[in-house]
Amino acid sequence: EAGVTQFPSHSVIEKGQTVTLRCDPISGHDNLYWYRRVMGKEIKFLLHFVKESKQDESGMPNNRFLAERTGGTYSTLKVQPAELEDSGVYFCASSLDFYEQYFGPGTRLTVT
Amino acid sequence: KNEVEQSPQNLTAQEGEFITINCSYSVGISALHWLQQHPGGGIVSLFMLSSGKKKHGRLIATINIQEKHSSLHITASHPRDSAVYICAAQPSYGGATNKLIFGTGTLLAVQP
Repeated sequence: EAGVTQFPSHSVIEKGQTVTLRCDPISGHDNLYWYRRVMGKEIKFLLHFVKESKQDESGMPNNRFLAERTGGTYSTLKVQPAELEDSGVYFCASSLDFYEQYFGPGTRLTVT
Repeated sequence: KNEVEQSPQNLTAQEGEFITINCSYSVGISALHWLQQHPGGGIVSLFMLSSGKKKHGRLIATINIQEKHSSLHITASHPRDSAVYICAAQPSYGGATNKLIFGTGTLLAVQP
């Protein structure tokens, strides 16, 4: 069984540009989460999808971040326009039920 | 103050030593997770606890719900145990979401 995959693994963009991160959850997992770790800080929750619906987006930092999960399969997280403080590692996780989450390898975003 | 605190932040041990990493949390939880991230690797779930104790190989995780404290123990440590160990709380106030609240992680280095 394939695990959670994320693309790209690393992205370097200039301030003001747009970046789209993609997450493919484990097949059949209705729950999909986005988290991020900015340098030196703990990992923080961004949002939670159940199928294609946003169950909780309380962690989204501002309206420059837009997450979608069309069709309840893969999800995208768009940052537009990117700012320096958006640099960090963005993790995606999926779960079948309410408990164990399976994490992807992360996307390292560097905004210069 | 973070809702999940870990100690120590950094730990160096000699091969064969018994290792303990501590986690304290201030929120009501439905589960407590221990995660592992090897350098350059993804995040792997080690344990999910809601009470008592769990053991997997040389790893043991315990939780005291009344004291809001959990420990991760590694017996007979080995250099391949070198990784970041992360404690994450699944709050019970979350309603229909099971987002995780993370500690800052403990960087463990086991020297041969």
